[in-house]
Amino acid sequence: DAGITQSPRHKVTETGTPVTLRCHQTENHRYMYWYRQDPGHGLRLIHYSYGVKDTDKGEVSDGYSVSRSKTEDFLLTLESATSSQTSVYFCAISSRGDRQPQHFGDGTRLSIL
Amino acid sequence: QQPVQSPQAVILREGEDAVINCSSSKALYSVHWYRQKHGEAPVFLMILLKGGEQKGHEKISASFNEKKQQSSLYLTASQLSYSGTYFCGTENRTSYDKVIFGPGTSLSVIP
Repeated sequence: DAGITQSPRHKVTETGTPVTLRCHQTENHRYMYWYRQDPGHGLRLIHYSYGVKDTDKGEVSDGYSVSRSKTEDFLLTLESATSSQTSVYFCAISSRGDRQPQHFGDGTRLSIL
Repeated sequence: QQPVQSPQAVILREGEDAVINCSSSKALYSVHWYRQKHGEAPVFLMILLKGGEQKGHEKISASFNEKKQQSSLYLTASQLSYSGTYFCGTENRTSYDKVIFGPGTSLSVIP
């Protein structure tokens, strides 16, 4: 299995608080992705990174920011969490951006009350 | 734009066959297929890169019709272990480093 660790695995927080989710990989893959998964919507891309300090927006980037200061870590931040951001968040990695499989972490279940 | 998957859900008895379809309104560069079991992470099944290409994984195979911007996943002689949600993901020629996933097809195999 690809070495991907997401932390925390579960989090409950209140509206308006900042939240940071971490994705750590040991595969030295260039590409890293953050998705959210909600019933009926499948996996929706939030942001992705194609190298250290190189990031781009996905389909549902509003309200989220990301940072990648090292190859192995990709952080997703909700600056001021809202109840609509309650979701399961998956990180994925890939050795290159196109035509390569993505390998997913185990997910973070985030509840915002 | 998110690809469309059909059917939304299907129930099979062990040994039956199923087809899951994925279509896009944009010209496609590749199609990915993943399976996710309840409470787990999605797991990669296969990627199709060329028009008309077919690939196989155990008794699961897929085709990709580039001209029609469609892909189909074929599950033959289904097993209980095939239960889960199947997602297609598409890459198009203008943003080929992003995979956009469909809403998923729930597949339940019963004894």
